[in-house]
Amino acid sequence: GAVVSQHPSRVICKSGTSVKIECRSLDFQATTMFWYRQFPKQSLMLMATSNEGSKATYEQGVEKDKFLINHASLTLSTLTVTSAHPEDSSFYICSARPGGAKNIQYFGAGTRLSVL
Amino acid sequence: DAKTTQPNSMESNEEEPVHLPCNHSTISGTDYIHWYRQLPSQGPEYVIHGLTSNVNNRMASLAIAEDRKSSTLILHRATLRDAAVYYCILRDVRGNTGKLIFGQGTTLQVKP
Repeated sequence: GAVVSQHPSRVICKSGTSVKIECRSLDFQATTMFWYRQFPKQSLMLMATSNEGSKATYEQGVEKDKFLINHASLTLSTLTVTSAHPEDSSFYICSARPGGAKNIQYFGAGTRLSVL
Repeated sequence: DAKTTQPNSMESNEEEPVHLPCNHSTISGTDYIHWYRQLPSQGPEYVIHGLTSNVNNRMASLAIAEDRKSSTLILHRATLRDAAVYYCILRDVRGNTGKLIFGQGTTLQVKP
């Protein structure tokens, strides 16, 4: 099956710093990528839809200036958590959808962010 | 996207079949039924999807009710590695953003 690589898998940072998370589709081109956040014991919450070469579409309640998304190529999308605070500590997961396959998404292994 | 209802948790014995139910009474004609699962501390994994007919793949089977208002994911022989949260998701192919909206899912415990 298709592989989505997410890096880093874990990051610990001080409050006020910015953290960048990368999501790569390794063996397919992804015109669309998605970013989710998951708090402990909860389900995944969609944050935004990232389209290659255009601005991301954010879900209601997600601050676009706080969570910067860049989808510069067909195989790479990045999520930057700016000025991170302890309440941003969460499990961040990306997914990618191959251009020709409308029905299947492939997920990264997730990034666990801990803000001290 | 239409909403789905799943039991919070289920238990199964190893090597026995597991039937995970999902209700989606407000499903529309263009909604596909998707199943994903999430193992602890990992990203979700695609399991299976279907529209109207029952579907089989190497991981599982999907049985869809004739009126499409419910479906059942069938794991034919549960193993300890199948312990995960199973999500039943409806996705409308119109608009085609492709986004998946996750509910609470069913936590499956598999006992040896």
